[in-house]
Amino acid sequence: VQLVQSGAEVKKPGASVRVSCQGSGYMFISYYVHWVRQAPGQGLEWMGWMNPNTGATKFAREFEGRVTMTTDTSIRTAFMDLSRLTSGDTAVYYCARVEQGCLGGFCYYNFDYWGQGTLVTVSS
Amino acid sequence: QSVLTQPPSVSAAPGQRVTISCSGSSSNIGNNYVSWYQQLPGSAPKLLIYDNDRRPSGIPDRFSGSKSGTSATLGITGLQSADEAEYYCATWDRSLSVVIFGGGTKLIVL
Repeated sequence: VQLVQSGAEVKKPGASVRVSCQGSGYMFISYYVHWVRQAPGQGLEWMGWMNPNTGATKFAREFEGRVTMTTDTSIRTAFMDLSRLTSGDTAVYYCARVEQGCLGGFCYYNFDYWGQGTLVTVSS
Repeated sequence: QSVLTQPPSVSAAPGQRVTISCSGSSSNIGNNYVSWYQQLPGSAPKLLIYDNDRRPSGIPDRFSGSKSGTSATLGITGLQSADEAEYYCATWDRSLSVVIFGGGTKLIVL
C-alpha cells in the first residue's frame, strides 16, 4: 500500500491550492481518504474525509465553504482543494487511508497508511 | 488547545518503560475507539495502535495500548533511542462530529 502526494506549493494570500494523493496496492474505492494538516511546529489537525466509492464528504467546521475533496477513481487519485488561502494555511498537508466504521455504537477511525505530505506555503 | 489532553513531553532512559496518557470525555474516548500514532521528525505519522489496544502487523509488542473510561494510555517498554518521536492519540468526537487528535507528546530518550 502506498499513497503518493503531489509536490510542494507556494501560493499568495487569497489563492487556491490543489493537493493530489494517488493510492496503489489496494482497492482504492474500498477505503475512505482523510486529509490532515500540520502547521510548522504544531500538532495534527483533521480537515475531513471523502468516500471514493460514493463521493460523500464530511468536513471539519472550520474548513466548510473553503475546502473541496474529490476523487478520480480511474487514476486512483484523491484531490483536496483549499481556497481563500491565508498565512494561517501554511502547513504540511497529509492524505491518509482510513478504515472506519461503528461497532455496537463505538466508532473507529484507523489511519493505517499516510502520504508523504505536501508542504503548502502561503506568502505574499 | 485540543479536546484530547496529552502531556507535552515525557522522558525516560533507554531500556526503561514509559506511558503516555490521553484524556478526553464521554463524547469521544468514553464511547469510541482510540488509535495512536508515532511521528518521527520530518516524517508522516505512522499507526502504532488501533481499536484501543491492537497492534498492526510489524509493530513490535514493546508498544501497547489501553483504555479506561474517558482516558487512554500508550505504553512503551524497552525504550530505544529510535523511539524518540512525537506521539498522538486520536478518536471520533460525536458531539463535535469530527476526528480529533491529541496535542501530541514528545518522547525524549535520555
